[in-house]
Amino acid sequence: AQKITQTQPGMFVQEKEAVTLDCTYDTSDQSYGLFWYKQPSSGEMIFLIYQGSYDEQNATEGRYSLNFQKARKSANLVISASQLGDSAMYFCAMRVASDNYGQNFVFGPGTRLSVLP
Amino acid sequence: NAGVTQTPKFQVLKTGQSMTLQCAQDMNHEYMSWYRQDPGMGLRLIHYSVGAGITDQGEVPNGYNVSRSTTEDFPLRLLSAAPSQTSVYFCASSLGLAGELFFGEGSRLTVL
Repeated sequence: AQKITQTQPGMFVQEKEAVTLDCTYDTSDQSYGLFWYKQPSSGEMIFLIYQGSYDEQNATEGRYSLNFQKARKSANLVISASQLGDSAMYFCAMRVASDNYGQNFVFGPGTRLSVLP
Repeated sequence: NAGVTQTPKFQVLKTGQSMTLQCAQDMNHEYMSWYRQDPGMGLRLIHYSVGAGITDQGEVPNGYNVSRSTTEDFPLRLLSAAPSQTSVYFCASSLGLAGELFFGEGSRLTVL
């Protein structure tokens, strides 16, 4: 079954420090995509970063990088130089082929990150 | 650029009432979907559509109906609301098999 696991319900990090949010995934598909979304307290879902299963380089977007280890089926999000505004819920998600049509997205339960001043 | 627009943002229903959550996107995305978000469970897929006239069930479809008559609109219908449907609902769309999901702002539904 397609599944995303995020084992850290909550994380704390000191401002300006780096933090890694864990994500492991389970799929038998060869072609899939991995995403991270941020949900601040205001509730909207903000796309952060994407990694394709065939991408050999780890994805980076500004202070966000995705540590993709295909053999371990992990796609950890690394946030460098944490800022107070990074305090939010973070969701790891996977795009896979659906049973019937096209594609679907599967989400993990999320990790709540708190950045301490 | 409106993106994905959901209405209403808040709604309170009594058990047994029906309602429709509206979702519209102006990005010409073929793929649209509805999720519900409950504490500790992430987002769970309710229904999705890969184009006008094509819909399918997700992980938690019971109690919800959808239809897709146009590329732009993908309404979610609750036929007889139950307290278990109290949740935050998100509509999302994406461009076919590539690209990320674009989300609406969410709709908070409370069923008493």
